[in-house]
Amino acid sequence: QQQVKQSPQSLIVQKGGISIINCAYENTAFDYFPWYQQFPGKGPALLIAIRPDVSEKKEGRFTISFNKSAKQFSLHIMDSQPGDSATYFCAATKSGSARQLTFGSGTQLTVLP
Amino acid sequence: NAGVTQTPKFRILKIGQSMTLQCTQDMNHNYMYWYRQDPGMGLKLIYYSVGAGITDKGEVPNGYNVSRSTTEDFPLRLELAAPSQTSVYFCASSYLRGPNEQFFGPGTRLTVL
Repeated sequence: QQQVKQSPQSLIVQKGGISIINCAYENTAFDYFPWYQQFPGKGPALLIAIRPDVSEKKEGRFTISFNKSAKQFSLHIMDSQPGDSATYFCAATKSGSARQLTFGSGTQLTVLP
Repeated sequence: NAGVTQTPKFRILKIGQSMTLQCTQDMNHNYMYWYRQDPGMGLKLIYYSVGAGITDKGEVPNGYNVSRSTTEDFPLRLELAAPSQTSVYFCASSYLRGPNEQFFGPGTRLTVL
């Protein structure tokens, strides 16, 4: 059972545009929602994260929007740059069980110069 | 700090062979994890450990074994390799407390022929 659904699978954006990746979750016990960024040949690295008690979190050009009632959250990349080209994973976790991460299936973002 | 290191980077196995994927972290993290990453499937948790001597199964443990004799090391053992175990394997670690930022190693690409 896939508990975190992510879309789109791939995304192509022009330099300077806005990239938007969406995720939906099912388990209401999740209490922390991170986004990981992965470059080819590398392991994922934490990009930004949010708790469900806030609706938005912004770090530089990266923003998470969170809708608790809809059980959805999204990553917005403003002024997208070619260096942002990577695979992005949303994830969710809850307390207990070593805070296991449940990952979405990933979005391959390509930013054209 | 080297962070999380994994060896080997690449490996080709024949069906039925066995091998151990090595993982070491130098951040004194209590929690360690093994994931496999398949195209379009995100990362799936194989096993995790909350400390030396304590391990537990994740979502996809069949065909794998782990041990945790020290805080630093968390090897993953594949017995009787099968083509279905062709994947990229990532080791990760995190602090005991906090929301759980997992730090990932660079991965091991395994092919079973």
